[in-house]
Amino acid sequence: KAGVTQTPRYLIKTRGQQVTLSCSPISGHRSVSWYQQTPGQGLQFLFEYFSETQRNKGNFPGRFSGRQFSNSRSEMNVSTLELGDSALYLCASSPGLAGGPYEQYFGPGTRLTVT
Amino acid sequence: AQKITQTQPGMFVQEKEAVTLDCTYDTSDPSYGLFWYKQPSSGEMIFLIYQGSYDQQNATEGRYSLNFQKARKSANLVISASQLGDSAMYFCAMREGEVNTGNQFYFGTGTSLTVIP
Repeated sequence: KAGVTQTPRYLIKTRGQQVTLSCSPISGHRSVSWYQQTPGQGLQFLFEYFSETQRNKGNFPGRFSGRQFSNSRSEMNVSTLELGDSALYLCASSPGLAGGPYEQYFGPGTRLTVT
Repeated sequence: AQKITQTQPGMFVQEKEAVTLDCTYDTSDPSYGLFWYKQPSSGEMIFLIYQGSYDQQNATEGRYSLNFQKARKSANLVISASQLGDSAMYFCAMREGEVNTGNQFYFGTGTSLTVIP
């Protein structure tokens, strides 16, 4: 089975711009979660999508949004970029169903740099 | 309060020796899952091992075992026979609640493990 893929791998944007990151989960996985990883804050949960619906949301401003398509692929959008948004954005997929398996499988991440 | 606490920012272990990475968690939910992930310098998070709150036995996966002490709310990772390739950041994580109500994970701050030849 192919793993979780994320595109692009690296991105450089300017303050005020917006950005869209893409994540393709493992085939058959219906849950996609997004995380922000920074040296100062560590790994922080952004949101989770399951069957095209946002099922859970972390404590991030509304500039961070996402969506999931019928094929379970997910996109994350950040509008009005700030310098503090520079981070590694990780996507993780799992079946998302009661009964397991429960582990999330992560993609390689998108390294976003805001200048 | 922190949901996941890893108190060891950095650890060193001699090659072929065993090492224990500490993790404590905080939840009042009877249903939860505990995970360990490895993050090499390449950045990708690699799943290592899972322990469910209702599991009676400690989880094992090859050289990895999870020392689950429910009353103490600890879920320490034991790596036996350390290898140079084990050098990486290790994160403890918890899924709180039932899976079908959402998959929010809480991660600890990580432990940097260095294996010495």
